[in-house]
Amino acid sequence: NAGVTQTPKFQVLKTGQSMTLQCAQDMNHEYMSWYRQDPGMGLRLIHYSVGAGITDQGEVPNGYNVSRSTTEDFPLRLLSAAPSQTSVYFCASSGRGQGPSTRYGYTFGSGTRLTVV
Amino acid sequence: AQSVAQPEDQVNVAEGNPLTVKCTYSVSGNPYLFWYVQYPNRGLQFLLKYITGDNLVKGSYGFEAEFNKSQTSFHLKKPSALVSDSALYFCAVRGANQAGTALIFGKGTTLSVSS
Repeated sequence: NAGVTQTPKFQVLKTGQSMTLQCAQDMNHEYMSWYRQDPGMGLRLIHYSVGAGITDQGEVPNGYNVSRSTTEDFPLRLLSAAPSQTSVYFCASSGRGQGPSTRYGYTFGSGTRLTVV
Repeated sequence: AQSVAQPEDQVNVAEGNPLTVKCTYSVSGNPYLFWYVQYPNRGLQFLLKYITGDNLVKGSYGFEAEFNKSQTSFHLKKPSALVSDSALYFCAVRGANQAGTALIFGKGTTLSVSS
């Protein structure tokens, strides 16, 4: 059981480049979300999804796109990278209800450290 | 709108002393509350959660948290701190009636335990 897998772990982009951060979970979780972590700011919600085909914006969605074509995958796309998007990105997932899949709350991936120069 | 406040950026305690990391929340309806811990250059690890029931919740590594509805607080506690407890701690919340929405996090509190 791999949990939540994020790739890549590290990435350096030039301003204006685009890229996709991958997130996959193998727990059949309905809910998935993306956060960015910046010093002194905690984790801020970028986008989230309640199921395949359904996404919504969080607190800081500008400059990012998401899609949810399958239950397992929730990629985050940076359309035109900017230095302000330098951050550590975390993907998380959770299941519905109080069953074993939600016993440990939301499960987080290990993060992607992105630097935009 | 949902929100979480962690009023202390840093908490310093001596090893063996009790520790408290504070968290207050604002959410419509009943809250689902969580504590996570993050060690340097690592992801977030789940510590404990309050969904319903007993106001005192026990979690991993000897931590516990007390839900206080009247004070809208969910403080994290441990009777005897260890140096290995030094880390960044996050409180998070979502509304019980907001199925599918993601967690809202506080800004985090750095716990430093000295030997």
